[in-house]
Amino acid sequence: TQLLEQSPQFLSIQEGENLTVYCNSSSVFSSLQWYRQEPGEGPVLLVTVVTGGEVKKLKRLTFQFGDARKDSSLHITAAQPGDTGLYLCAGAPDSNYQLIWGAGTKLIIKP
Amino acid sequence: KAGVTQTPRYLIKTRGQQVTLSCSPISGHRSVSWYQQTPGQGLQFLFEYFSETQRNKGNFPGRFSGRQFSNSRSEMNVSTLELGDSALYLCASSFVKGDTEAFFGQGTRLTVV
Repeated sequence: TQLLEQSPQFLSIQEGENLTVYCNSSSVFSSLQWYRQEPGEGPVLLVTVVTGGEVKKLKRLTFQFGDARKDSSLHITAAQPGDTGLYLCAGAPDSNYQLIWGAGTKLIIKP
Repeated sequence: KAGVTQTPRYLIKTRGQQVTLSCSPISGHRSVSWYQQTPGQGLQFLFEYFSETQRNKGNFPGRFSGRQFSNSRSEMNVSTLELGDSALYLCASSFVKGDTEAFFGQGTRLTVV
């Protein structure tokens, strides 16, 4: 069974601090997506990474796909209260296209 | 361009009843997937439909079923509701089969009492 493990499960930090969230697997993925979900809403796609070693930036968010395409990280610089939410990673295995989902990292940024 | 629309947003049902949830995908999208989300289990895949055919199915009992219509709109049905079925049910649409980027609706919050 292919799994995506996210860490930490929960993170509460002060506004202005930096943080990194991880998404790890022993399986190879052809692509990996990061989503953010706010309470009572559906997840919203932030980014898709497809090439090993790829780095994508979205304002203060930096996403990296591991060289072996088995893991990914999300780094937030100078976190703001608006970054609060559940961050989910989802990977598309090489063998088929059905997404495998991580359990999520619940992030709270305190003003 | 309108997003994915799920109706109703909230629903309260009694144990033993059945419920039907609706999802209208983004215009032009032909693939619809359904997920159950609970605090303890995270996002669990229910099933995926493409061109009115179920393509993949998750590990859920037969009480959970779905269908897709020729206009790509989809419905899911849960029969003989149990308390444990209380969850946020999310629908996601994709342009084509095999397109892994999913666009989600706001979900239907189902509470079984």
